[in-house]
Amino acid sequence: DGGITQSPKYLFRKEGQNVTLSCEQNLNHDAMYWYRQDPGQGLRLIYYSQIVNDFQKGDIAEGYSVSREKKESFPLTVTSAQKNPTAFYLCASSAGARYIQYFGAGTRLSVL
Amino acid sequence: GENVEQHPSTLSVQEGDSAVIKCTYSDSASNYFPWYKQELGKRPQLIIDIRSNVGEKKDQRIAVTLNKTAKHFSLHITETQPEDSAVYFCAAAPNQAGTALIFGKGTTLSVSS
Repeated sequence: DGGITQSPKYLFRKEGQNVTLSCEQNLNHDAMYWYRQDPGQGLRLIYYSQIVNDFQKGDIAEGYSVSREKKESFPLTVTSAQKNPTAFYLCASSAGARYIQYFGAGTRLSVL
Repeated sequence: GENVEQHPSTLSVQEGDSAVIKCTYSDSASNYFPWYKQELGKRPQLIIDIRSNVGEKKDQRIAVTLNKTAKHFSLHITETQPEDSAVYFCAAAPNQAGTALIFGKGTTLSVSS
């Protein structure tokens, strides 16, 4: 279970506010991923990064932004452009696309 | 691009019965197929995976089979127990540089005692 830390566990966003979700890994993995999970839904890919200073949009990137300045860190910003941000956000990392993905414990984001 | 379909979306079995979840994929070049289990409120965790050079893999009560010709793979759980109740996700890795795993929409398995 260890190796990937997401914080905070719970986060509340006010109208028009940007919020940033943290994801840190100490597994020395090159690839990192952000997923959004809504109740009863699957894992929808927001952004992923295969290497430092490079990232690609997933299926639902609109209203989100990321950075990958360090190998260990892949923060996700939920911008005010994301009109329905309430969801469970999962970060994951792997040695590559065809290797085991390890998930963080998740951040539950709600709107005030 | 790759597309993964997973069935059924919900599955209810009696304790001790077997459970089978099936996934199909569209990209014949995909070569890695993991299965994840997510308990309520927890993170998904890998339970078994298979690569395209193998047709079947077992780990105690869990097995995965892969049919490359038909482009489908299945998860088999035997002698189910209440603690097997969870959401199960299949995934496929496209054989293309710079891509990510493609997940199915999940199957909610309920095992009643």
